[in-house]
Amino acid sequence: AQTVTQSQPEMSVQEAETVTLSCTYDTSESDYYLFWYKQPPSRQMILVIRQEAYKQQNATENRFSVNFQKAAKSFSLKISDSQLGDAAMYFCAYWGLRGNTGKLIFGQGTTLQVKP
Amino acid sequence: KAGVTQTPRYLIKTRGQQVTLSCSPISGHRSVSWYQQTPGQGLQFLFEYFSETQRNKGNFPGRFSGRQFSNSRSEMNVSTLELGDSALYLCASSLEGRGRWGGDNEQFFGPGTRLTVL
Repeated sequence: AQTVTQSQPEMSVQEAETVTLSCTYDTSESDYYLFWYKQPPSRQMILVIRQEAYKQQNATENRFSVNFQKAAKSFSLKISDSQLGDAAMYFCAYWGLRGNTGKLIFGQGTTLQVKP
Repeated sequence: KAGVTQTPRYLIKTRGQQVTLSCSPISGHRSVSWYQQTPGQGLQFLFEYFSETQRNKGNFPGRFSGRQFSNSRSEMNVSTLELGDSALYLCASSLEGRGRWGGDNEQFFGPGTRLTVL
């Protein structure tokens, strides 16, 4: 069975600084996607960034980038120039492409606090 | 394009009752997945529906059930409520619910229904 682990329950960063959230996963599959989702307090969960497992190049979306280490099964999220609006819970998620329809497997989440 | 909507947003029930939650996916999306979010267990997959058929199911007791209508709207039902069923129930929609390279593999989430069981 696939598992996703986020070992940092809480993180804090100063506004305008850079922070990295960690995620490791375990799978025997070769074809999968990895995602980072953001869930602001009392607001909808939104996709931050996605990585296809076959791509060696790390995904980037504006201030958000990932460090995808397939052999180490590691998928960290780097947020540059942190803003107050980045404060939220962040979830790392796994989606296998073989038969597991509609099922995202989530980590426990990391609560990010941004200090002004 | 309207996002995923869920009704009601908040519910308070007592033990032993049953509850029905509704989810309307983004127009054109045929896959709807349901998740339970609790502080202790995190986000757990309940089931996924596609073209009115349950295609995938998580490890929840039979008290949790669902269905999908021809317009892709989905409902989930919890019978004989227990205190431990208190949670935020999220639904998410996607075009096909089946990941494939280069395809649209994003799940779009609704705001959730906060269920409190007393």
